Amino acid sequence: GAGVSQSPSNKVTEKGKDVELRCDPISGHTALYWYRQRLGQGLEFLIYFQGNSAPDKSGLPSDRFSAERTGESVSTLTIQRTQQEDSAVYLCASSPWTSSHEQFFGPGTRLTVL
Amino acid sequence: GQSLEQPSEVTAVEGAIVQINCTYQTSGFYGLSWYQQHDGGAPTFLSYNALDGLEETGRFSSFLSRSDSYGYLLLQELQMKDSASYFCAVKDTDKLIFGTGTRLQVFP
Repeated sequence: GAGVSQSPSNKVTEKGKDVELRCDPISGHTALYWYRQRLGQGLEFLIYFQGNSAPDKSGLPSDRFSAERTGESVSTLTIQRTQQEDSAVYLCASSPWTSSHEQFFGPGTRLTVL
Repeated sequence: GQSLEQPSEVTAVEGAIVQINCTYQTSGFYGLSWYQQHDGGAPTFLSYNALDGLEETGRFSSFLSRSDSYGYLLLQELQMKDSASYFCAVKDTDKLIFGTGTRLQVFP
């Protein structure tokens, strides 16, 4: 595709359930980033990948959050035992390489935890 | 700690000029970027400054002073479609640290 895609666009889940969010970066982009954006707030860095390795996981809020990436392609962000405070929009971005100054964002997944 | 401060909201009328300021305090600095985000939309890249001075891209300009840890985004000839949130972001090694965002409302 032409841009970054994310699925699902919306996810409603019950507290305590696990969720998986998917990101398809722009083809050929080696760097992939995950952010969280709470309503009316800025973007909170979670994790980034260079290829399929994650040099910086410092933004993951807790050990309930994990992410993986297959090669230089799809990435999944998994949230286990979801809590209401996990409700937010989860944004994925990609760039040609990590030194690129421009990141291309997907439309996000809006997660609601009831 | 790492922080980027922006005004929470700015209002202006069509055709006017508006400046959105950003001050930052981060452990690393490799450049200052600006992103635009319309309600419900994805952030889109506007500009990037790695060195001091002014960068101009059409109606938008961005300025950086590294000695003052300060930058701004200047929007000229405002249009209704410019109503959106604007985020400054510091590139810290390989990741972006975003500010809290400034909501710009343009009135006719």
